[in-house]
Amino acid sequence: DGGITQSPKYLFRKEGQNVTLSCEQNLNHDAMYWYRQDPGQGLRLIYYSQIVNDFQKGDIAEGYSVSREKKESFPLTVTSAQKNPTAFYLCASSRTGQVSGYTFGSGTRLTVV
Amino acid sequence: AQSVTQLGSHVSVSEGALVLLRCNYSSSVPPYLFWYVQYPNQGLQLLLKYTSAATLVKGINGFEAEFKKSETSFHLTKPSAHMSDAAEYFCAVTSLSGYSTLTFGKGTMLLVSP
Repeated sequence: DGGITQSPKYLFRKEGQNVTLSCEQNLNHDAMYWYRQDPGQGLRLIYYSQIVNDFQKGDIAEGYSVSREKKESFPLTVTSAQKNPTAFYLCASSRTGQVSGYTFGSGTRLTVV
Repeated sequence: AQSVTQLGSHVSVSEGALVLLRCNYSSSVPPYLFWYVQYPNQGLQLLLKYTSAATLVKGINGFEAEFKKSETSFHLTKPSAHMSDAAEYFCAVTSLSGYSTLTFGKGTMLLVSP
């Protein structure tokens, strides 16, 4: 079955370390997105990509980086510059050129220890 | 610019009662509107969407929503709540202009009591 896979489901990081969250989709979607979710704040857009080798900053891109070398993959790196990285991270994908809604992965919960 | 306001961070209902979750949007272009549901520690699942066809939209699990342009609203309803409806619900807006992305509200937690 087609879908989005995020790994790992839980991730612990020491302060000062970079960490990479994986997101893979087999839906043949062109666009992919990363959102951060904090209690009471809804979902906030970190980065998105409409096509391979191209991506744009969202509302809260500082302290994060992404790459889009393959259509299927859109990894997110949380760098040591991100001051408050503990959160639930959601990856999504969609078709472009039409409004079809997003398909979401099951999320990665990152905790800084 | 687009934005969504969800009134009430928490809504409590009894099992069998009407569910009403409120969503108001702001958009300078014709909007496309969505409702998503999220169960604990999971991703979001699409409940229904409005894309400029019928203003009354039916979704999964007995939910429906009505687009009211004059009120800039897209409230989510269900005639009779079930215990399994307890979850967090998100309203979202986008448009077809350029690289528009989904903008989400802050969510409403639905609590269902027996």
